[in-house]
Amino acid sequence: DTAVSQTPKYLVTQMGNDKSIKCEQNLGHDTMYWYKQDSKKFLKIMFSYNNKELIINETVPNRFSPKSPDKAHLNLHINSLELGDSAVYFCASSQDHRSGGRDTQYFGPGTRLTVL
Amino acid sequence: AQSVAQPEDQVNVAEGNPLTVKCTYSVSGNPYLFWYVQYPNRGLQFLLKYITGDNLVKGSYGFEAEFNKSQTSFHLKKPSALVSDSALYFCAVRPLNDYKLSFGAGTTVTVRA
Repeated sequence: DTAVSQTPKYLVTQMGNDKSIKCEQNLGHDTMYWYKQDSKKFLKIMFSYNNKELIINETVPNRFSPKSPDKAHLNLHINSLELGDSAVYFCASSQDHRSGGRDTQYFGPGTRLTVL
Repeated sequence: AQSVAQPEDQVNVAEGNPLTVKCTYSVSGNPYLFWYVQYPNRGLQFLLKYITGDNLVKGSYGFEAEFNKSQTSFHLKKPSALVSDSALYFCAVRPLNDYKLSFGAGTTVTVRA
């Protein structure tokens, strides 16, 4: 059984379009995250939600908007896509962010976004 | 603010030889330290973590890491590397009572047969 799943796996789209990436975890975790991995493989956190509440919002353009309908799902919507948005986006989850950092984050397989 | 350094972009070893992937960190207070591995076109897989206690941590696939507080290091080791260990390895740190995980730039490991 897949613990953290993302759809789609690949996303190719034109500049200016709006797209969404979905993430679901079946681990019963309270906290979910979105990371961006750039072309140099550098990983940077974008957002984090704990039980549907936004707790991390890094310096990310307003075109990116996370939505958490319930604690098992965290979707990422991107408006007006730009070339620089091309990257691999990873979803992750952990049991509870309030455990003082000790919780392991488990990652999804990633969504490779290509903006043409 | 916390940070992680992986000083080697690439590590090349022969199969059967020891493998070491280096990681140093900078953080205020006690750190929680993690190692992840990313195989080509795959997500990150958790290998091991240091929270407290024994400085030598054992993880998945025969990997281990040693926490050295005085040198602020958390090097990943495997006594005998396999070709299948070829992948991208990430070290990560979280300070106590902070939920932001900061990753190093990654080290590409190539194990030749």
